[in-house]
Amino acid sequence: QVQLVQSGAEVKKPGASVKVSCKASGYTFTGYYMHWVRQAPGQGLEWMGRINPNSGGTNYAQKFQGRVTMTRDTSISTAYMELSRLRSDDTAVYYCAREADYGGTPTNAFDYWGQGTLVTVSS
Amino acid sequence: QSALTQPASVSGSPGQSITISCTGTSSDVGGYNYVSWYQQHPGKAPKLMIYEVSNRPSGVPDRFSGSKSGNTASLTISGLQAEDEADYYCSSYTSSSTSWVFGGGTKLTVL
Repeated sequence: QVQLVQSGAEVKKPGASVKVSCKASGYTFTGYYMHWVRQAPGQGLEWMGRINPNSGGTNYAQKFQGRVTMTRDTSISTAYMELSRLRSDDTAVYYCAREADYGGTPTNAFDYWGQGTLVTVSS
Repeated sequence: QSALTQPASVSGSPGQSITISCTGTSSDVGGYNYVSWYQQHPGKAPKLMIYEVSNRPSGVPDRFSGSKSGNTASLTISGLQAEDEADYYCSSYTSSSTSWVFGGGTKLTVL
């Protein structure tokens, strides 16, 4: 069965960086785009970007350009999201989510999600 | 890019039907059939309920249906059940820099 297992909670100081991992299993890792979505406490979902695990190509939301880097290690079926120059308003749960592919074509929807990683930014 | 617009809250009694709207622009909702809907219970990850405007993934009850007219998409839940009480989010692909956008979320209360 498809599973996305994320790394554990992090506490960081303002200005620091955080790197969250997302280990995939149960499917061919390189066959599906991986997206990252975050959710601040009590707030809605916010799309951050995506990575093509096959090519390593990325698309980032304009808001995070220059601060976010998405990478992958195909040998261990793991995607990573690194956010730098952290601020207090980056405190959120960060999710990885697989882009659904029904009938062999991307659907621009997210069918499997990780359990979420809470990143707290506090001095 | 701005978030899609959803009502903050909706409510209904068990057995009734409710509809949640999601309004965007011609660059996202109106321009593509790539609207999806997610259900999120407190403390849990979102769950895909509808993709490509009106398609249901395997395992999602047919009480959930989606549609779109112009720049507004809608999620309808018929035969409301207590377990449907959750937050619901719409999402759309947008042509703005190859990206995706979410709605602000709608809290569904089953009375």
